[in-house]
Amino acid sequence: EPEVTQTPSHQVTQMGQEVILRCVPISNHLYFYWYRQILGQKVEFLVSFYNNEISEKSEIFDDQFSVERPDGSNFTLKIRSTKLEDSAMYFCASSGDSYSYEQYFGPGTRLTVT
Amino acid sequence: GNSVTQMEGPVTLSEEAFLTINCTYTATGYPSLFWYVQYPGEGLQLLLKATKADDKGSNKGFEATYRKETTSFHLEKGSVQVSDSAVYFCALSDTTSGTYKYIFGTGTRLKVLA
Repeated sequence: EPEVTQTPSHQVTQMGQEVILRCVPISNHLYFYWYRQILGQKVEFLVSFYNNEISEKSEIFDDQFSVERPDGSNFTLKIRSTKLEDSAMYFCASSGDSYSYEQYFGPGTRLTVT
Repeated sequence: GNSVTQMEGPVTLSEEAFLTINCTYTATGYPSLFWYVQYPGEGLQLLLKATKADDKGSNKGFEATYRKETTSFHLEKGSVQVSDSAVYFCALSDTTSGTYKYIFGTGTRLKVLA
């Protein structure tokens, strides 16, 4: 069964450093999402992406964040200058040929900022 | 805006007890509703879903019915096992956002004792 994959599973970085979280969505999916979950809290929407552009972003997704689909398979989330409060689990999700289709979630990347 | 409210946890039950985790929602339009389960240290796994009113989602002995009249999607299981210990998230697809982003509840931790 096709699945969404994410790398790395755990990333430790120092405050102020740039990090790139990588996701490989399901191959024929067209809609992509990033969510995050601060430890012990609920999962929050960050951004959605379609047709090589951001289609919606939350207030969390400020100028420090960016997303990119650099090739036909990867979908990345970049945090330019990490802060302690960026420590969280980041989930990538993808959906088929319509926004109304079910989203499939990856296993997540745990980001720890020290 | 759209929102999901879940009962506070933790919920502690003995093995073979009956489980109910309450979930109510506020939504414009006709969202799909989901239950996700998160085992310790792991990602989000779709447990079950319902896409329209009166639909019943079921999986692994868990059930939930989409009740439009009470705006609820309560999760039930007739006989829980120790292996069901996890955090359970109720979620809806926000059909008003244009991108059908998911809105999650705060999660309910379930602990099942042998």
